[in-house]
Amino acid sequence: GAGVSQSPSNKVTEKGKDVELRCDPISGHTALYWYRQSLGQGLEFLIYFQGNSAPDKSGLPSDRFSAERTGGSVSTLTIQRTQQEDSAVYLCASRPGQRSYEQYFGPGTRLTVT
Amino acid sequence: AQSVAQPEDQVNVAEGNPLTVKCTYSVSGNPYLFWYVQYPNRGLQFLLKYITGDNLVKGSYGFEAEFNKSQTSFHLKKPSALVSDSALYFCAVRDTAGNTPLVFGKGTRLSVIA
Repeated sequence: GAGVSQSPSNKVTEKGKDVELRCDPISGHTALYWYRQSLGQGLEFLIYFQGNSAPDKSGLPSDRFSAERTGGSVSTLTIQRTQQEDSAVYLCASRPGQRSYEQYFGPGTRLTVT
Repeated sequence: AQSVAQPEDQVNVAEGNPLTVKCTYSVSGNPYLFWYVQYPNRGLQFLLKYITGDNLVKGSYGFEAEFNKSQTSFHLKKPSALVSDSALYFCAVRDTAGNTPLVFGKGTRLSVIA
């Protein structure tokens, strides 16, 4: 079946602009995660959605970052007033539910802020 | 707080030789442990996990890992490396207590030389 998809695959933006990154999880997966992967760094957790529960936003690095998940499916990560340090690969992952363990990752969006 | 350490940024091994990629972890309770692999310009792929039971877990592509509670380690191993195993490998941990996100190590780049 279809895996996790993300769009765009690459995004180049000017410093100060807003960007939106999209994630389509695997159908039926109730949990959705956003991570950031910077060069030479591991994956940094950003935000986690589980069903209809309030999202865990503990990993968002600043108030310029926000995310929403509409209808328990598609998620959008928004970065306002982008900075050069926001340049990274943004990865989305989904998981079937509470009793499942492994996460399934999308291919990522490479964001470059010039 | 949870943490994962992958002490080697780079591991080089000759094709046909055994390989080991090291991982140690820290959690307050019992761990769920995972290995993921990332090929160039692709998302992370799940390799294997330890949840409970047998300390030796077998995963995809002939990889296995051994959970060692006393040493808080979960090293990834393969008896005979292939050139196609060359990739970036991530270890991740989640505390079984509570609904916490995965914490990833910084990754280890494996190069298998023909």
